[in-house]
Amino acid sequence: GEDVEQSLFLSVREGDSSVINCTYTDSSSTYLYWYKQEPGAGLQLLTYIFSNMDMKQDQRLTVLLNKKDKHLSLRIADTQTGDSAIYFCAETGARFGAGTRLTVKP
Amino acid sequence: EAGVAQSPRYKIIEKRQSVAFWCNPISGHATLYWYQQILGQGPKLLIQFQNNGVVDDSQLPKDRFSAERLKGVDSTLKIQPAKLEDSAVYLCASRTGSEQFFGPGTRLTVL
Repeated sequence: GEDVEQSLFLSVREGDSSVINCTYTDSSSTYLYWYKQEPGAGLQLLTYIFSNMDMKQDQRLTVLLNKKDKHLSLRIADTQTGDSAIYFCAETGARFGAGTRLTVKP
Repeated sequence: EAGVAQSPRYKIIEKRQSVAFWCNPISGHATLYWYQQILGQGPKLLIQFQNNGVVDDSQLPKDRFSAERLKGVDSTLKIQPAKLEDSAVYLCASRTGSEQFFGPGTRLTVL
């Protein structure tokens, strides 16, 4: 299977919070990343967290890192229709998950 | 600041033909990556350069794929000969410190 694992789909209503989860395998990753990819577009770096942190907040985005369980999550508060996209988590070693397709319903 | 540039944006070839992609990273970025993204999947690292040296090419199919970064700046990725399963978007990225920036990609279709 994938070295970095994510659930494939998530559907939420506009205004709700979205939580996208990821498990990774490389415990030596210095940074862990979240990228957003809209249809037909390139990869946009959303945020990243240093491995010695357990939480990082950036406006509507909150990243939680559980290094013991190698679990990473991205919470998007007040999710908007413009947040509909595929979200990828990635390790420092440039390994990506398969992506979670977030659909936001009005 | 200019982003990562890639060309061409689209390429259609027949199987067994050769193709080359070009990448110009962000100025000053020593680390350069090539990824293959097949439809519906996450990007898969093909090769990582640090300046003009190869750091990781463990997932590069070396029988048909090659890449170079001769002067530690621009890079080319070549496929020779192409197979149907090489149809994908080829992404170039460059990195400084903790942040990695992606180019728009080259969409390759092999018929």
